[in-house]
Amino acid sequence: AQSVTQLDSHVSVSEGTPVLLRCNYSSSYSPSLFWYVQHPNKGLQLLLKYTSAATLVKGINGFEAEFKKSETSFHLTKPSAHMSDAAEYFCVVSYSGNTGKLIFGQGTTLQVKP
Amino acid sequence: KAGVTQTPRYLIKTRGQQVTLSCSPISGHRSVSWYQQTPGQGLQFLFEYFSETQRNKGNFPGRFSGRQFSNSRSEMNVSTLELGDSALYLCASSLGLENEKLFFGSGTQLSVL
Repeated sequence: AQSVTQLDSHVSVSEGTPVLLRCNYSSSYSPSLFWYVQHPNKGLQLLLKYTSAATLVKGINGFEAEFKKSETSFHLTKPSAHMSDAAEYFCVVSYSGNTGKLIFGQGTTLQVKP
Repeated sequence: KAGVTQTPRYLIKTRGQQVTLSCSPISGHRSVSWYQQTPGQGLQFLFEYFSETQRNKGNFPGRFSGRQFSNSRSEMNVSTLELGDSALYLCASSLGLENEKLFFGSGTQLSVL
């Protein structure tokens, strides 16, 4: 079955320290991979998308993710956390032949401490 | 360019009632998808409409239905509401291509009492 697993339900970092949110996906077919962020009482915003053009994908707000096929991983990183980064982050996969259908991970809550 | 608009923002219903949620996509987008978000199940795909036709469907009972109009606006209907239908319902729009990013609305928070 097509699936995506976020390895941590909650991550806590101090402001100014690096962020690492981990994600693994099932490898039935070549997927498209995304990271979305959801701030409280708001909709989902796209952070970045893997398109197979490059394994290191740069997104908005200083986030980036690296696609590693051998590890079926797509971890999200940011060198220095900001208080405004506190939110719910979703790793998302879409497979060939599916339009409009995204498969979401369970989400990782990022807490940023001052 | 206006974003995806969902109305109403909040709804309170009682068990057994039915409800209709509305979604206006970004101008030029022909695909509208619906998702249910709950604390227990997370985000789950309901269905996708493209050019007034349901093109993709998730694993939800027949009480959940939708439609799309010629201007690409979409409605989702839930009949015979159950307590477990309480959720944030998110609508997303796109051009309708495979594996493209979706643009999400802020959602409709449905509470079933």
